[in-house]
Amino acid sequence: EPEVTQTPSHQVTQMGQEVILRCVPISNHLYFYWYRQILGQKVEFLVSFYNNEISEKSEIFDDQFSVERPDGSNFTLKIRSTKLEDSAMYFCASTRGGVEKLFFGSGTQLSVL
Amino acid sequence: GESVGLHLPTLSVQEGDNSIINCAYSNSASDYFIWYKQESGKGPQFIIDIRSNMDKRQGQRVTVLLNKTVKHLSLQIAATQPGDSAVYFCAEKKRAAGNKLTFGGGTRVLVKP
Repeated sequence: EPEVTQTPSHQVTQMGQEVILRCVPISNHLYFYWYRQILGQKVEFLVSFYNNEISEKSEIFDDQFSVERPDGSNFTLKIRSTKLEDSAMYFCASTRGGVEKLFFGSGTQLSVL
Repeated sequence: GESVGLHLPTLSVQEGDNSIINCAYSNSASDYFIWYKQESGKGPQFIIDIRSNMDKRQGQRVTVLLNKTVKHLSLQIAATQPGDSAVYFCAEKKRAAGNKLTFGGGTRVLVKP
């Protein structure tokens, strides 16, 4: 069964450093997403991406965040200058259309020290 | 406010019994609902979905019921198995709100042998 893959599974970084979280969505999917889950809290929407541009973003997704699909397979989330409150599990997700049957990756646990 | 919430944070179930997980939503403009299962260390896994023009939908051992009158969503798992132990999230898509999902807080299901 096809799956969304994310790397690394764990990322530890110092406050103020840049991090790039990587995702390989399912190959025939067209819509790509990043969500995050702070420990013990709800899964929160960050951004959606379609046709090589951001289609929607949340208030969390400020100027420190960016996404990119540099080639036909990868989808990345960059945090330019990490803050302590960015510590969370970050999930990449993809779907062929809209949000129906959204497939999630296993996540990257980001710890900002 | 507009939110998707869960009634019970933890549900203990005897193996073989049926499980019922509940979810309340307050946004009558939501038109699509999904249940996700999240096992430890993994991303949310799609279980079943339902559109707002339906009251009930069945899958393999799972049934989702939607009561729009009281804005209530439930997931029924028949003959609960140890592999069903996980956190279950409901999520909604609000009509005309693009492609983002709003997740509830999660219910942990513990299956006792």
